[in-house]
Amino acid sequence: EPEVTQTPSHQVTQMGQEVILRCVPISNHLYFYWYRQILGQKVEFLVSFYNNEISEKSEIFDDQFSVERPDGSNFTLKIRSTKLEDSAMYFCASSEDEGADTEAFFGQGTRLTVV
Amino acid sequence: GENVEQHPSTLSVQEGDSAVIKCTYSDSASNYFPWYKQELGKRPQLIIDIRSNVGEKKDQRIAVTLNKTAKHFSLHITETQPEDSAVYFCAASHGYKLIFGSGTRLLVRP
Repeated sequence: EPEVTQTPSHQVTQMGQEVILRCVPISNHLYFYWYRQILGQKVEFLVSFYNNEISEKSEIFDDQFSVERPDGSNFTLKIRSTKLEDSAMYFCASSEDEGADTEAFFGQGTRLTVV
Repeated sequence: GENVEQHPSTLSVQEGDSAVIKCTYSDSASNYFPWYKQELGKRPQLIIDIRSNVGEKKDQRIAVTLNKTAKHFSLHITETQPEDSAVYFCAASHGYKLIFGSGTRLLVRP
C-alpha cells in the first residue's frame, strides 16, 4: 500500500538554527499538507500546497516557515530560525483530490526537538 | 474562527462495551468529517469518514453519524477490544485544511 514517507524521524537542533523536514507524498497525489502536533495536544494545520503554490496557511505559518516542492517527488518544510516552541511532531500529508474533503494520508512524522 | 469541539477527553470502557465520542463544528460549509485513530508515537490513521450528504456510515464495529443541522457528528465503536485503546481525533474540512478536535483517549479495560 502506498505511504507518505518522512525524513528524518527525529531531529534535534539548537535554537536559531535552520531545519528542513522532508516528505515524499504518495505519487499520484496532488495536494500536500503540513500539520504539527505539540506533545499531548491536537493536530494543528500549518499549510496546504497545490500546483506549486500555497493554497492556505495558518497563523502558525509565519515568515520563519516555508515550503517547497524542489522536484517531482519531495515536499519540504523549512524553519529558518527555530524557537523552543517549534518543538513538536510534524506530519506531512497528501491527498489525491481537490480540497480538504478527501482522505488525507499522513506520514509517520518527524519529531523536532529544539534545544 | 473555525473550531471543532470534542468530548469526552478521556473514556474508559470495559471490553465488549460500546464507546461514543462526540464532536461539534462551527463552519456550516464543512462537508467532510474524518475520524483518525492515533496510537502512541504513531501517525494518525483514518478509520472512517463521512460526507455531508450522508447521515450515517458503518464499517464493521465502527459507525459515524452526522447531524448537519445541529453541526454534530459522533463516532460509535461497538464490542470494544483492548486494541481499540488509542487517541481518537475527529476533524472537519474547512477550505483547504482539516480542523481537528482535541482528541479522546480511549482505554478499553480487559
